[in-house]
Amino acid sequence: QLQLQESGPGLVKPSETLSLTCTVSGGSISYSSYFWDWTRQPPGKGLEWIGSIYYSGRTYYSPSLKSRVTISIDTSKNQFSLKVNSVTAADTAVYYCASRIVGATTDWGQGTLVTVSS
Amino acid sequence: QSALTQPASVSGSPGQSITISCTGTSSDVGGYNYVSWYQQHPGKAPKLMIYDVGNRPSGVSYRFSGSKSGNTASLTISGLQAEDEAEYYCRSYTSADTYVFGTGTKVTVL
Repeated sequence: QLQLQESGPGLVKPSETLSLTCTVSGGSISYSSYFWDWTRQPPGKGLEWIGSIYYSGRTYYSPSLKSRVTISIDTSKNQFSLKVNSVTAADTAVYYCASRIVGATTDWGQGTLVTVSS
Repeated sequence: QSALTQPASVSGSPGQSITISCTGTSSDVGGYNYVSWYQQHPGKAPKLMIYDVGNRPSGVSYRFSGSKSGNTASLTISGLQAEDEAEYYCRSYTSADTYVFGTGTKVTVL
């Protein structure tokens, strides 16, 4: 079982860039069976898949966020990261990183709340 | 891509069976067998309950089962227990090589 931990600022100003990092332990981020996902959940609302990355660097993004999102991977640090540009209050959410084997997301981070406010 | 459609709430008495539906299109639920279900208790991360339509991960109770017919997937909880009270989300792979979640269903044990 993998352990994942999100880290990054809990408060971001409107129009700025949200940046989060997920550190993976208990296994290699380069393991070929895994994809690495970001999912978010606005307060009191449902889950939204943001996107994912494979160890090769291939990325997949939700069409609704694709223009503002970048996911990257650092295999030397066993980490992957999320950037969301030009944030607004609508980007306020708990952000989760997770590991996925094809369609099954088996291990999740505890989640980190990011608030967009001036 | 639009969120998959789930009922907002489902309730049942202890010991009963309930079924949660998840309706999509032929471009997601109907087109692929990559439907998964997640249980989420308040303030907690989601937990995988079913993957690939009807497969149960190790450690998940046999009381949870999944199926699919056409563009609608279903999660059935049999022998409902108090600990099953939570929010449940379906998720499907899509033809755009992305994933989409359902709107979520709150399960209440009466």
